[in-house]
Amino acid sequence: DAGVTQSPTHLIKTRGQQVTLRCSPKSGHDTVSWYQQALGQGPQFIFQYYEEEERQRGNFPDRFSGHQFPNYSSELNVNALLLGDSALYLCASSVRTGTYEQYFGPGTRLTVT
Amino acid sequence: AQSVSQHNHHVILSEAASLELGCNYSYGGTVNLFWYVQYPGQHLQLLLKYFSGDPLVKGIKGFEAEFIKSKFSFNLRKPSVQWSDTAEYFCAVNPNTGFQKLVFGTGTRLLVSP
Repeated sequence: DAGVTQSPTHLIKTRGQQVTLRCSPKSGHDTVSWYQQALGQGPQFIFQYYEEEERQRGNFPDRFSGHQFPNYSSELNVNALLLGDSALYLCASSVRTGTYEQYFGPGTRLTVT
Repeated sequence: AQSVSQHNHHVILSEAASLELGCNYSYGGTVNLFWYVQYPGQHLQLLLKYFSGDPLVKGIKGFEAEFIKSKFSFNLRKPSVQWSDTAEYFCAVNPNTGFQKLVFGTGTRLLVSP
């Protein structure tokens, strides 16, 4: 049983560029959440998707957007990258109706230069 | 502001020592509580969780945590740590608003020396 997978593993972008990160949830899960983890900090909630719609959003600007596909996989898009967007981006999957346990992927390390 | 606080940022212990990591949150009402662990080079893994019932919950690898509602605390404990417990530990709270958002503390980095 494959867990949560994310791609790519690492990414280097230039300030002002746009980036797309991808996530495949654990088998049987229908909900995907995205978190940003800056160095030395705990993960911060960006947003959550289920039934292909954004359901809850954290305190992140509109430059951060996402999408969920019919197969429950998800993308995180960040436009107009800033140096401060450099972080580990984590995807977590869960079951919408259940105990709210979230399973995390290995993350994508984004470096903005 | 609503938040989750982990008081110890770095903890160094010798093997067989007892461990207690503090976690306090500032959310009112019903909450769901979690401890996650991140071993070196690995992704976040769920250690244990509390939703309701017995406030003393047991997790994997001999860890346990106690929910004290009056103190808004959910401290993690282990009677005797091993070198393999070296990792970063995160407390997380779901404010139980009907959504699954987790609010994490800043983490505690534990180093266990053999």
